[in-house]
Amino acid sequence: AQSVTQLDSHVSVSEGTPVLLRCNYSSSYSPSLFWYVQHPNKGLQLLLKYTSAATLVKGINGFEAEFKKSETSFHLTKPSAHMSDAAEYFCVVSPKYNNNDMRFGAGTRLTVKP
Amino acid sequence: NAGVTQTPKFQVLKTGQSMTLQCAQDMNHEYMSWYRQDPGMGLRLIHYSVGAGITDQGEVPNGYNVSRSTTEDFPLRLLSAAPSQTSVYFCASSYSGGISGNTIYFGEGSWLTVV
Repeated sequence: AQSVTQLDSHVSVSEGTPVLLRCNYSSSYSPSLFWYVQHPNKGLQLLLKYTSAATLVKGINGFEAEFKKSETSFHLTKPSAHMSDAAEYFCVVSPKYNNNDMRFGAGTRLTVKP
Repeated sequence: NAGVTQTPKFQVLKTGQSMTLQCAQDMNHEYMSWYRQDPGMGLRLIHYSVGAGITDQGEVPNGYNVSRSTTEDFPLRLLSAAPSQTSVYFCASSYSGGISGNTIYFGEGSWLTVV
């Protein structure tokens, strides 16, 4: 069994300050982990993914995430927030060889203040 | 390149009515799936297909039917709509679903209200 907990339902930052969106996972086997972003009234877009290579994963738009097995975490970070980063972010876990059992977190809404 | 296309974008149904949400992709992806998104719950898998003629149930399949007669299309049927099926529905596709890490492409969603 596997699950994802996104620790904050809403995060608010000022433009130009760092972003931290927290994600803990639970998995009975070696997982793949993803972060997706959803802008209002749009579908989900892949930001980055961890499958089994480097534990620090770089994604699009300056985002990155670090896989920490000992802490079962996969937190998403960005050094400097931009207004266009305002969106809903989803952390996702799946078994390494099976996309049919992807489990989504409840989402974190990121607000960016001018 | 259209990607994943869902129709309709918005629909209001009366309890007991049936309808079909259409999904088409033009990327020749073997894997297609349907999710529903409810507030505070992320996305949950309804049904999926790993190729034409093959479908299987996901986490929340009750009340929904699917078929996959072609690689491109994967319609989702609501057999007898209930208020609990009020949700946002997303269709998604990717290359082989058997290999995790393949990027999944999502449609823009279909907002369904059952009254």
